[in-house]
Amino acid sequence: DAGVIQSPRHEVTEMGQEVTLRCKPISGHDYLFWYRQTMMRGLELLIYFNNNVPIDDSGMPEDRFSAKMPNASFSTLKIQPSEPRDSAVYFCASSPWGALTEAFFGQGTRLTVV
Amino acid sequence: GIQVEQSPPDLILQEGANSTLRCNFSDSVNNLQWFHQNPWGQLINLFYIPSGTKQNGRLSATTVATERYSLLYISSSQTTDSGVYFCAGTTGYALNFGKGTSLLVTP
Repeated sequence: DAGVIQSPRHEVTEMGQEVTLRCKPISGHDYLFWYRQTMMRGLELLIYFNNNVPIDDSGMPEDRFSAKMPNASFSTLKIQPSEPRDSAVYFCASSPWGALTEAFFGQGTRLTVV
Repeated sequence: GIQVEQSPPDLILQEGANSTLRCNFSDSVNNLQWFHQNPWGQLINLFYIPSGTKQNGRLSATTVATERYSLLYISSSQTTDSGVYFCAGTTGYALNFGKGTSLLVTP
């Protein structure tokens, strides 16, 4: 398996623009997680899905952030409108059965909002 | 979620030295993983170790679930071991990460 695939790897956008990050989990994994990494806050969970259904979105910072999982092989994280404080590395991860199994991370998307 | 504390925050080693990294949890976990974030930012799985001891080459890990801590041992360190080491655990479904140990191995 190719692992968790994220795109784009790097994104530079202007404040106020819409940004869409994409993730393809490992085939057969039922859980998908979105994390954000910043120097100040470290790695923090934004939202996770089980069988394409959002289970916990309490980590989503505000209404400007939204995430969807239309099918088992694709998820998006959207920021609209983007702000400079959204600049971070966004990771997607997947695991077969949530906490009882190992989670694997994608290579991340480095987002810069100017 | 649970609180995860890692120590030390920073570590500098000379190549060939051994080290022990520690991770403490505020509650009992049903999942515990160690990751290495390389200089390119990639999170590499090292161990999935909710309890017991595992070894992989020069690295080994031990988790004592009843006492809420885990240890990562690095033996005969190499410059390629540099980076940030994270432990992460959960009592639910999503991992909570510590702040990491930043390791620099010098030639």
